Amino acid sequence: AQKVTQAQTEISVVEKEDVTLDCVYETRDTTYYLFWYKQPPSGELVFLIRRNSFDEQNEISGRYSWNFQKSTSSFNFTITASQVVDSAVYFCALRSGNYGQNFVFGPGTRLSVLP
Amino acid sequence: GAVVSQHPSWVICKSGTSVKIECRSLDFQATTMFWYRQFPKQSLMLMATSNEGSKATYEQGVEKDKFLINHASLTLSTLTVTSAHPEDSSFYICSARDPTTGRNGYTFGSGTRLTVV
Repeated sequence: AQKVTQAQTEISVVEKEDVTLDCVYETRDTTYYLFWYKQPPSGELVFLIRRNSFDEQNEISGRYSWNFQKSTSSFNFTITASQVVDSAVYFCALRSGNYGQNFVFGPGTRLSVLP
Repeated sequence: GAVVSQHPSWVICKSGTSVKIECRSLDFQATTMFWYRQFPKQSLMLMATSNEGSKATYEQGVEKDKFLINHASLTLSTLTVTSAHPEDSSFYICSARDPTTGRNGYTFGSGTRLTVV
């Protein structure tokens, strides 16, 4: 079975603070993909990143960075110098490497960045 | 890039009526589409897998007679909520895979917020 856990239900930070959103996953697949999506109040899912199970390189994109560690089955997401516009619900998701498999989403973390 | 259009973006209907939600792949053909449901302040949960030209596959606990899925063409899947009740009020979102972009080319629609009064 596949499962994604995001232990932090809600996080509040003050603007310019750094914040890390945790994600722990479970899967028996040897090939899988990990994702982070942002869901603003309007509801659409905004794709942030995809990571393949065989690529443990960490990635940085502007103020966003991701730390993928297979040894601990974690795929954490850090926002540096947070901004009010970062306020949203963030979902970590897992998808099997087999064709046609659906996404398994974590419960989400609601991030509030206060001015 | 691949675009998935979902319509309507929001709908309010009376209890007992049916509502149809469309999910279209605009610039690619999708043999498989997924329908998810998201209750307020909860995560997205897979409802069913829509397969072009065949019956949809429903997840456990999802009533197939209530949530009718039709995938009659390679670019369109529809979800019809029949005899809607207030507890069906939710955010429905579809996803489709663009086969030309490899196994990771999944795109989500913008979602439909259904309110049943």
